[in-house]
Amino acid sequence: SQELEQSPQSLIVQEGKNLTINCTSSKTLYGLYWYKQKYGEGLIFLMMLQKGGEEKSHEKITAKLDEKKQQSSLHITASQPSHAGIYLCGAVASGGGADGLTFGKGTHLIIQP
Amino acid sequence: NAGVMQNPRHLVRRRGQEARLRCSPMKGHSHVYWYRQLPEEGLKFMVYLQKENIIDESGMPKERFSAEFPKEGPSILRIQQVVRGDSAAYFCASAPRAPHEKLFFGSGTQLSVL
Repeated sequence: SQELEQSPQSLIVQEGKNLTINCTSSKTLYGLYWYKQKYGEGLIFLMMLQKGGEEKSHEKITAKLDEKKQQSSLHITASQPSHAGIYLCGAVASGGGADGLTFGKGTHLIIQP
Repeated sequence: NAGVMQNPRHLVRRRGQEARLRCSPMKGHSHVYWYRQLPEEGLKFMVYLQKENIIDESGMPKERFSAEFPKEGPSILRIQQVVRGDSAAYFCASAPRAPHEKLFFGSGTQLSVL
């Protein structure tokens, strides 16, 4: 089965600084999703990447999928307190399948004022 | 357009009781997924349903757990004879069409077993 490993597990960043979260897959990614979860709440969709080399941005968050489609990175520029939360990457099982998304364990992001 | 609605938000049960978790998908969505989240394990897939059908239940324990998504009404995740290890956050997600569409998540039900 496909496994997603996220790094770092947790991250403390001073407000205004940039940061990067990584997601590495044990198999080729056919679709990679980034979600954000605030503590005690559900997941909020951020971005979806499908093509090797693809890059998408939304406000101060940029996500990339590498050419080999086995790794994705999420980059936040000039972090703000509102960016705090848990970031999860999710992937479609290789070759398709009916079991929805497999998720990494998440990266806990804390923004220090 | 209301999002995915889950209730209750918090559910407390004693060992041996039954827990029923409800999920109303977004309007027009006929695909429902249930996930369980534990602090050290992350978000784990349990079951995928379409209206009146279980498509994939490979992530759901064989005993005590069942799920349904009737023609009318919400999807129900049912846990019989709960044990302390069932304590977790249970999330429901829905999608409009194919299985690999973006999933929309509810706010979850936090189940605590005493």
